[in-house]
Amino acid sequence: AQSVTQPDIHITVSEGASLELRCNYSYGATPYLFWYVQSPGQGLQLLLKYFSGDTLVQGIKGFEAEFKRSQSSFNLRKPSVHWSDAAEYFCAVVAHTGTASKLTFGTGTRLQVTL
Amino acid sequence: GAVVSQHPSWVICKSGTSVKIECRSLDFQATTMFWYRQFPKQSLMLMATSNEGSKATYEQGVEKDKFLINHASLTLSTLTVTSAHPEDSSFYICSARARAWRDVREQYFGPGTRLTVT
Repeated sequence: AQSVTQPDIHITVSEGASLELRCNYSYGATPYLFWYVQSPGQGLQLLLKYFSGDTLVQGIKGFEAEFKRSQSSFNLRKPSVHWSDAAEYFCAVVAHTGTASKLTFGTGTRLQVTL
Repeated sequence: GAVVSQHPSWVICKSGTSVKIECRSLDFQATTMFWYRQFPKQSLMLMATSNEGSKATYEQGVEKDKFLINHASLTLSTLTVTSAHPEDSSFYICSARARAWRDVREQYFGPGTRLTVT
């Protein structure tokens, strides 16, 4: 079965600093990978996704992520963090079980931004 | 495009009563809808998958008689929490997957419904 690990429960960065959120997945075939952001009391917003092709994917709000098959990783990065980026970030993988295509989420990383 | 709404956004009910949560795809037809539950400061846990016109498939450990799911049309799924108890208090999020003309690998999420059972 597929799984997603986000090793960092909580990260604090200063505004303007760079950010990298880690995500490792376990899946037998080529995964479909996603990063979502959730503000308090809100639903999920898709930041970016990887299905195939270029392993460096660009997303919204200046985020990017790099798929590294050899490391089973899909880390999220942003060169300069803004205070409004403070939120919960979830990495997710889609498992292909016929037409079910269920999303499996990591446990999330809470990002705090200091001014 | 690909907007999913949920109603209500928050609800408070008394223990023992039932509450219904609606999930609608506003600008696309959803062949499949998913219901998730999220406890405070935790990740999303899939509760069930529903396909239009058929019975929902529940994840292990989810009581299907307590969490009734109906997917009567291609744009509407409902989750009814029956005989709610305080431990059912949670944030419930739905998502929808579109028909073939959109990427079926992607789910579009609703804004969530906060349920508090007193």
